[in-house]
Amino acid sequence: NAGVMQNPRHLVRRRGQEARLRCSPMKGHSHVYWYRQLPEEGLKFMVYLQKENIIDESGMPKERFSAEFPKEGPSILRIQQVVRGDSAAYFCASSPMPRTGGNTEAFFGQGTRLTVV
Amino acid sequence: GESVGLHLPTLSVQEGDNSIINCAYSNSASDYFIWYKQESGKGPQFIIDIRSNMDKRQGQRVTVLLNKTVKHLSLQIAATQPGDSAVYFCAEKSRRSYIPTFGRGTSLIVHP
Repeated sequence: NAGVMQNPRHLVRRRGQEARLRCSPMKGHSHVYWYRQLPEEGLKFMVYLQKENIIDESGMPKERFSAEFPKEGPSILRIQQVVRGDSAAYFCASSPMPRTGGNTEAFFGQGTRLTVV
Repeated sequence: GESVGLHLPTLSVQEGDNSIINCAYSNSASDYFIWYKQESGKGPQFIIDIRSNMDKRQGQRVTVLLNKTVKHLSLQIAATQPGDSAVYFCAEKSRRSYIPTFGRGTSLIVHP
């Protein structure tokens, strides 16, 4: 059973271009979380999705950022018109349907390191 | 890999010593607390979790202690090994959210 797969591992974009980050959850997992990590900082929550539905996007910037998790295929985090401040590591995690009364473990991918030049 | 350590709290220990990593939290509604380990260039890896109605939980070489009175969480690693060198994050989940919220992290450096 493969783990959470993120690609690309490294992505370089010029200012103004678009960045597309992909996340394939673990087999059987229906929920995906996206986080951003700046150097020497913790992970900041961005968005929480299940297939075809955004559950919580309270951590997403209002402009230029969007996320989707279609019925088929990976989850995509899309950043339009990138700026240097978007340079960071973006991590995806997946979990099964969360269960009430217990902790549902989220498994993280290896991340995509975005560099905007 | 990622560079860590310059601005993160850092704990340096000798191989074989016990390590204690601390975490303070502020959300009284937290229901679960989780410790993650992040090695350089990799994603966070689950270590152990503890529910808010417990004060101690043990795993393999690790123990998590929870003090709700002072909102403090600690991770104890017994017989620390060089492979334990990483950044350790505590995270919490509230009763109404399934989303782990991460703290800042502590860099553990184990000297052989």
